[in-house]
Amino acid sequence: AQSVTQPDIHITVSEGASLELRCNYSYGATPYLFWYVQSPGQGLQLLLKYFSGDTLVQGIKGFEAEFKRSQSSFNLRKPSVHWSDAAEYFCAVGALNYQLIWGAGTKLIIKP
Amino acid sequence: EAGVAQSPRYKIIEKRQSVAFWCNPISGHATLYWYQQILGQGPKLLIQFQNNGVVDDSQLPKDRFSAERLKGVDSTLKIQPAKLEDSAVYLCASSSGQGAVYGYTFGSGTRLTVV
Repeated sequence: AQSVTQPDIHITVSEGASLELRCNYSYGATPYLFWYVQSPGQGLQLLLKYFSGDTLVQGIKGFEAEFKRSQSSFNLRKPSVHWSDAAEYFCAVGALNYQLIWGAGTKLIIKP
Repeated sequence: EAGVAQSPRYKIIEKRQSVAFWCNPISGHATLYWYQQILGQGPKLLIQFQNNGVVDDSQLPKDRFSAERLKGVDSTLKIQPAKLEDSAVYLCASSSGQGAVYGYTFGSGTRLTVV
């Protein structure tokens, strides 16, 4: 069955430290992969997407993600987090019926 | 380009009352989605429209929820009667029809509280 797993419900990182949010997927075909961010009280904003080509994808706000087919992973990274990065992050896989299969989300907490 | 517009932003109703949400997608986007997001969870697809036709409403509780997309543009989602467990954020999203490839654009959502 198609699914997306985000193993970490919460992650706490000090401001200025590096960040990696994990995402694993189960999908039969070549996946289209997405990371979205949701700030408190806001809708979901697309951070970055992968559907072909270079497996290291650059996104907005200094985020990047790496697609590793052998590990069925699409982890999100940022070299130095800012307090404004505190939000919830969702990984998703695009299905052939134009729908997205969503992970449960990881809440990022920034320590000053 | 203008984003996906949703209204109202917040709504508080009593259980058994009815409520309606409105969504105006990005101009030219053929595909429109309504999602329900309960606090602490990922979005759950309620209904997907392609132009003004329903593509998937398998997770829509049809005994109380209804949605329409007249003329393939704006959409409304209605709940009647509301239950306490309907308290959630209702998100509208649109895509150009290749959403699985390019992603969606989401509105800011309507936060519904049922008391």
